[in-house]
Amino acid sequence: EAGVTQFPSHSVIEKGQTVTLRCDPISGHDNLYWYRRVMGKEIKFLLHFVKESKQDESGMPNNRFLAERTGGTYSTLKVQPAELEDSGVYFCASSQGAGRLYNSPLHFGNGTRLTVT
Amino acid sequence: AQSVTQLGSHVSVSEGALVLLRCNYSSSVPPYLFWYVQYPNQGLQLLLKYTTGATLVKGINGFEAEFKKSETSFHLTKPSAHMSDAAEYFCAVSEGTAGNKLTFGGGTRVLVKP
Repeated sequence: EAGVTQFPSHSVIEKGQTVTLRCDPISGHDNLYWYRRVMGKEIKFLLHFVKESKQDESGMPNNRFLAERTGGTYSTLKVQPAELEDSGVYFCASSQGAGRLYNSPLHFGNGTRLTVT
Repeated sequence: AQSVTQLGSHVSVSEGALVLLRCNYSSSVPPYLFWYVQYPNQGLQLLLKYTTGATLVKGINGFEAEFKKSETSFHLTKPSAHMSDAAEYFCAVSEGTAGNKLTFGGGTRVLVKP
């Protein structure tokens, strides 16, 4: 089975520009998560989709970040306008829906490394 | 609120020596605990997890971890390091009802010397 796929793997943009990150979860996984690791810091939760609905977006840093998951398949995370502090690695992860947590392991993508200059 | 502390951002071990990575957590409810590994240019891969039951948990690649509630610890060990164990390791905690909303530690990068 194909794993979680993220595009692009790297992105370098200037401050003030817009960037859109894409995540394709494992087919059939209802749960989709975005995490971020800013340089030198911990990996932090951004938000959680269940199918197309935002279940928890408490980790989104501010309104420059917009996540969507139209049709409950792939997801996009848009940063507009990008700031220097947005640089980091953005991870997407997915897991199957229903059931208890320990029966639904989290599968991570390889991440998108975003550099804002 | 939950938090995770990993002691040592970098650890160097000799091939064949014991690997010990320390993780302490805080949680207001019974925690679910995880160790993930990230190899270069790859995503995070689950090594092992503790949810309930037996406190000594065995994972992939010969790793194991022990949940000690009294010490709020979940240290990761491997008896004999292999060159392929060179990677970054992350300890994480979640509240069981919070699904896969994980709180991660800062990570420990392991270097294995021949």
